[in-house]
Amino acid sequence: GNSVTQMEGPVTLSEEAFLTINCTYTATGYPSLFWYVQYPGEGLQLLLKATKADDKGSNKGFEATYRKETTSFHLEKGSVQVSDSAVYFCALSGLNYGGATNKLIFGTGTLLAVQP
Amino acid sequence: EAGVAQSPRYKIIEKRQSVAFWCNPISGHATLYWYQQILGQGPKLLIQFQNNGVVDDSQLPKDRFSAERLKGVDSTLKIQPAKLEDSAVYLCASSLLGRQVTDTQYFGPGTRLTVL
Repeated sequence: GNSVTQMEGPVTLSEEAFLTINCTYTATGYPSLFWYVQYPGEGLQLLLKATKADDKGSNKGFEATYRKETTSFHLEKGSVQVSDSAVYFCALSGLNYGGATNKLIFGTGTLLAVQP
Repeated sequence: EAGVAQSPRYKIIEKRQSVAFWCNPISGHATLYWYQQILGQGPKLLIQFQNNGVVDDSQLPKDRFSAERLKGVDSTLKIQPAKLEDSAVYLCASSLLGRQVTDTQYFGPGTRLTVL
């Protein structure tokens, strides 16, 4: 079945450091890939997405490229800020049950803590 | 544009009691999802509605959980009777069309349930 594996946290970085959070997936067909972020006390927010191979999603300085050959969708940011401290979830959406459902399959989340 | 609304935000009950959660999706969104997020894990889909019909409830514990979406707009998720392992955040999400892997799901703030 479809699944997502992402690196365990917490990831602790100093401000302005480079960030990578690894995400790999297993899926049949042609899923879409997403990164969601959950700030403390808030709900899940879509950070970026990519819908086909080699697509690059980007938002707020974050980027991720859909790599079909390595089944990966790693999240990167060149210079993190304290305000980026949150839990990051990698997710995929694939069709199941004859195309009836496009539920999201999430990874377990990675806590990022950025120190000033 | 108003986001997904959920209530209550927090609920504490004793085991074997019943509880209900309410969700109002983004206006015009045909698809509504209920996810369960246990502490330290990624969200897991419980049920997906397309308008007022169920398209996926394969992971809904039907002996104790029920959900409805009358008139294809807002939805209620009920647990009766609750167990300790039901302690989690219950997230509601909606998307415009559903049934497409490219469709973006927008999440509400969630209801944090504690079962004592």
